Amino acid sequence: EDKVVQSPLSLVVHEGDTVTLNCSYEVTNFRSLLWYKQEKKAPTFLFMLTSSGIEKKSGRLSSILDKKELFSILNITATQTGDSAVYLCAVEENNTDKLIFGTGTRLQVFP
Amino acid sequence: DTEVTQTPKHLVMGMTNKKSLKCEQHMGHRAMYWYKQKAKKPPELMFVYSYEKLSINESVPSRFSPECPNSSLLNLHLHALQPEDSALYLCASSQDFGALNTGELFFGEGSRLTVL
Repeated sequence: EDKVVQSPLSLVVHEGDTVTLNCSYEVTNFRSLLWYKQEKKAPTFLFMLTSSGIEKKSGRLSSILDKKELFSILNITATQTGDSAVYLCAVEENNTDKLIFGTGTRLQVFP
Repeated sequence: DTEVTQTPKHLVMGMTNKKSLKCEQHMGHRAMYWYKQKAKKPPELMFVYSYEKLSINESVPSRFSPECPNSSLLNLHLHALQPEDSALYLCASSQDFGALNTGELFFGEGSRLTVL
C-alpha cells in the first residue's frame, strides 16, 4: 500500500533555530512530491519536487528530493514564530493521479 | 484572483437536515476536489471533478453528494449525516488533473461542519 511518513510528528524550537523536517515515501508510481504549510486554515503550497538532488529555495525555506532513497527534507533556517504550523508532505501517484498525504509535522516556534 | 472561496465557513446541522457546502474559483482551473480533514490528521480525498465530470469517488458514502454545475463551482450536498462526519471540509482546485497538471492545489479555507 502506498504511504507517506513524516517525522518528527511534532517539533518545538526557539526563534532563530534551524529545523529539518523529513518525509519518506513508498509509492508505486511516483510523479512528484509536494510540501504544504497549514496554519489554522487552508494548506498553502510551498514546493513541488520532481527531480533528485535539485534544491528548491524560497526565502528561509528550502527542500530537496532523493528519489533513490525515497525521501525529501524541508529545511527552515532562522525560524520565526510565524513559521509555526503543520507542514504536510504529499506524493502524487502517477497511475491514480492522487495526492497521498503524510500525517504532517507540527512545528511550534517560541520567541 | 488566486482564491478558492468556500461557504459557509461554519455549519452545524442535525442528522435529519439537508444542507450544502459551496466552493467557487475563478482561476480557470479545470479540476476541483473535495477533501475531508479530521483534527490533527491530513486531508483525505473524497471526490475529484475534471472538466465538470466526476473522475474520482473515494468510496464516499452516498449521504455526501457532489455536484459540479459549471467549471467554477463545486457543491457538496449533505443529507442524513452522522456525528462522525463532523470535520473540516476543504475544497481545492488545480489547473488540470493528473499528468497534465503542475501538481499545485489551491485550497479554500474550509467549511467546518459539526453534526449533532
